[in-house]
Amino acid sequence: AQKVTQAQTEISVVEKEDVTLDCVYETRDTTYYLFWYKQPPSGELVFLIRRNSFDEQNEISGRYSWNFQKSTSSFNFTITASQVVDSAVYFCALSGVNDYKLSFGAGTTVTVRA
Amino acid sequence: DSGVTQTPKHLITATGQRVTLRCSPRSGDLSVYWYQQSLDQGLQFLIQYYNGEERAKGNILERFSAQQFPDLHSELNLSSLELGDSALYFCASSVASRLAENNEQFFGPGTRLTVL
Repeated sequence: AQKVTQAQTEISVVEKEDVTLDCVYETRDTTYYLFWYKQPPSGELVFLIRRNSFDEQNEISGRYSWNFQKSTSSFNFTITASQVVDSAVYFCALSGVNDYKLSFGAGTTVTVRA
Repeated sequence: DSGVTQTPKHLITATGQRVTLRCSPRSGDLSVYWYQQSLDQGLQFLIQYYNGEERAKGNILERFSAQQFPDLHSELNLSSLELGDSALYFCASSVASRLAENNEQFFGPGTRLTVL
């Protein structure tokens, strides 16, 4: 079974601070897929990134960056120079190679104060 | 806008009633997934359909059922509703059947169900 742990329930920062969201996963699959989704106050789930287990390269997209470390089963997400619009719940998710579904973590609520 | 549409946006009903939630996938997507987001259970997978056929079942109650129609839209039927069924129900779609086939799930805006 797949399991995703997001230990941080809530994070509050002041605008322009960096914020890092932790994600630790458990899987028996040797090939798997990791995802991050954002859920703003409006409620929809917005896809941010997918990472394949065989690709450990870190990725940067604008102010977002992801650090995938297979050795520690972690897939952390950093928002650089946070903005108020980054306030949302962020979910980490996992899927095994033969899965039909996403297994989500409990989510981390990020509040960015002006 | 993900391209996935869900109706209605909000639904308020009473215990014991039955409701139907509707989802239209993105153009070209053959898979439809249903998820439930509640405060106590978080985001949980309910069921998946691919091109009209059920492909996978998650933590879906027997009181709940779903189907996917020839035009690929899907409906989630919830019956004998209980207070605990109050949640945000998401539909997602993807091109292929399995996530291993290199495709993401794109989520609709959700239907917020309140059972009074």
